[in-house]
Amino acid sequence: DGGITQSPKYLFRKEGQNVTLSCEQNLNHDAMYWYRQDPGQGLRLIYYSQIVNDFQKGDIAEGYSVSREKKESFPLTVTSAQKNPTAFYLCASSIEGQVGYNEQFFGPGTRLTVL
Amino acid sequence: QKEVEQNSGPLSVPEGAIASLNCTYSDRGSQSFFWYRQYSGKSPELIMFIYSNGDKEDGRFTAQLNKASQYVSLLIRDSQPSDSATYLCAVHGGATNKLIFGTGTLLAVQP
Repeated sequence: DGGITQSPKYLFRKEGQNVTLSCEQNLNHDAMYWYRQDPGQGLRLIYYSQIVNDFQKGDIAEGYSVSREKKESFPLTVTSAQKNPTAFYLCASSIEGQVGYNEQFFGPGTRLTVL
Repeated sequence: QKEVEQNSGPLSVPEGAIASLNCTYSDRGSQSFFWYRQYSGKSPELIMFIYSNGDKEDGRFTAQLNKASQYVSLLIRDSQPSDSATYLCAVHGGATNKLIFGTGTLLAVQP
């Protein structure tokens, strides 16, 4: 059963903590993306990766970090430097690396709340 | 001017009617266009994509693209209460080489 999985579904973080959100895909897609969604706003791109061991900053990368050591995995770390991390985080993937040209498929999301 | 604009709604239509959702974009070089449906608390689900001017039909859904006027629309025929969701327009191509999302239109289908 192919798809994108994200864990955990809900995550609570204390001030000053770093947390890592998991994203795994078994679709054999080259490209993977992280978005953030806030109420009443569109999705905003945090980071994306078109190929293993390479990634680029999106529009709101400050306070976040990623790695792409395996094709299937693209974890996102929300660091303590991110001033307002409470949001719905969405991971997506697409077949080829030309960002945006091919349709992107989303995982179920992780809802992060800072206590 | 926002790069991708949608009316936030809510757009309310009776069951069985045609729902018309619109989206305008600013980058004339944009090449591909996507419609996603997002239920409350869930992740977006791709329902249509279109690359060429004109209409593209898939079941009850029709996407329409007019590059000269820089708008893309989604028609939902025979609307059902289960179609009630937020519909996100996403546009790619041109200068940014990224997928840019609108803020979405909330559709409410009344039984």
